[in-house]
Amino acid sequence: AQSVAQPEDQVNVAEGNPLTVKCTYSVSGNPYLFWYVQYPNRGLQFLLKYITGDNLVKGSYGFEAEFNKSQTSFHLKKPSALVSDSALYFCAVSGLTGGGNKLTFGTGTQLKVEL
Amino acid sequence: DAGVTQSPTHLIKTRGQQVTLRCSPKSGHDTVSWYQQALGQGPQFIFQYYEEEERQRGNFPDRFSGHQFPNYSSELNVNALLLGDSALYLCASSLGWTSYEQYFGPGTRLTVT
Repeated sequence: AQSVAQPEDQVNVAEGNPLTVKCTYSVSGNPYLFWYVQYPNRGLQFLLKYITGDNLVKGSYGFEAEFNKSQTSFHLKKPSALVSDSALYFCAVSGLTGGGNKLTFGTGTQLKVEL
Repeated sequence: DAGVTQSPTHLIKTRGQQVTLRCSPKSGHDTVSWYQQALGQGPQFIFQYYEEEERQRGNFPDRFSGHQFPNYSSELNVNALLLGDSALYLCASSLGWTSYEQYFGPGTRLTVT
């Protein structure tokens, strides 16, 4: 079975400061990891993914994520937060179990960026 | 390039009724997955269709069924609606059922009263 944990329901950060949204995962075999963002009353927008290769993955809107195999973590980061980054962020994992690309999501972290 | 589209946007149904939600995948995509997102929760995988067959299924009862058409569009049907079925239903499409790239639609908000 595959699972994702997002330990923080909400993260508050001041605009211009760096932000980190935490994610840990559990999966059999190689993990395929994703971050999605959701704005109110909208679907999910893809931010970035880790499949293989460099542990630091760069994605959309200046976001990046660091894959750490020993800690089974995939934390989302941004060097300088913007108010417009305020949204709900989901970490997801796919182990391609059963041959398909089923995604298992965490419970989400609400990011609030304040002036 | 049209992205994933879903209809209707919102829907209100009564307990015991049946509902059909529709999804058109992103142009060129042949695989459709459905997810249920209850309020305050992350999306939960319902099932996935590829080549008009259900390929994977999550932990959902048989009241949830689906279909994929030759043009790759898909329907999600829920019978005997319960209050707990109230949620945002998301459709995602990909090129192939093992592709890492999945694109999500805006969702259908279902309210069961």
